[in-house]
Amino acid sequence: KAGVTQTPRYLIKTRGQQVTLSCSPISGHRSVSWYQQTPGQGLQFLFEYFSETQRNKGNFPGRFSGRQFSNSRSEMNVSTLELGDSALYLCASSLGAGSTDTQYFGPGTRLTVL
Amino acid sequence: AQSVTQPDIHITVSEGASLELRCNYSYGATPYLFWYVQSPGQGLQLLLKYFSGDTLVQGIKGFEAEFKRSQSSFNLRKPSVHWSDAAEYFCAVGASVTGGGNKLTFGTGTQLKVEL
Repeated sequence: KAGVTQTPRYLIKTRGQQVTLSCSPISGHRSVSWYQQTPGQGLQFLFEYFSETQRNKGNFPGRFSGRQFSNSRSEMNVSTLELGDSALYLCASSLGAGSTDTQYFGPGTRLTVL
Repeated sequence: AQSVTQPDIHITVSEGASLELRCNYSYGATPYLFWYVQSPGQGLQLLLKYFSGDTLVQGIKGFEAEFKRSQSSFNLRKPSVHWSDAAEYFCAVGASVTGGGNKLTFGTGTQLKVEL
């Protein structure tokens, strides 16, 4: 079974632009979560989606948004990019949205903001 | 609020030596605990998890961890380290209360270097 797929793997943007990242979960998984990883702040939870509904949101500004489609694929969007948004963005999928559902992580999208 | 502390930022061990990575958590109830490993340029791979029951859990790649409620710890161990174990290791806590979702709170990670 294919793992979690994230596209693109690398992205370079300039300040003020917006960006959309995509995540395709493992087949049959209905929950998708997003995390931001930076050297300074570590791994931080962004949001969690299950059956197209956002169930949980981390402490990030409104410039960060996401959605989930009926096929469980998810996208996250960052508007008005800032230098501090440079990070590795990781997506994780799980069968359900319970806390005992193991999350499987994708390889991440490396975003660089210039 | 839940939190995780990994006191060791870097650890260096010789190949074949034993390994213990420390993890302390803060959570109001019995936590769900995880250890993940991340190799350079890769995502996170689950090594093992603890939900309840036996406090000594076995994982993949020969790793094990022991949940100690009295010490709020969940240390990761391996009896004999291989050069391929060099990576960054993350401890995480998940919500065990109903409605908590599957949000994970991660520690800051421990970078493991293996000397040949």
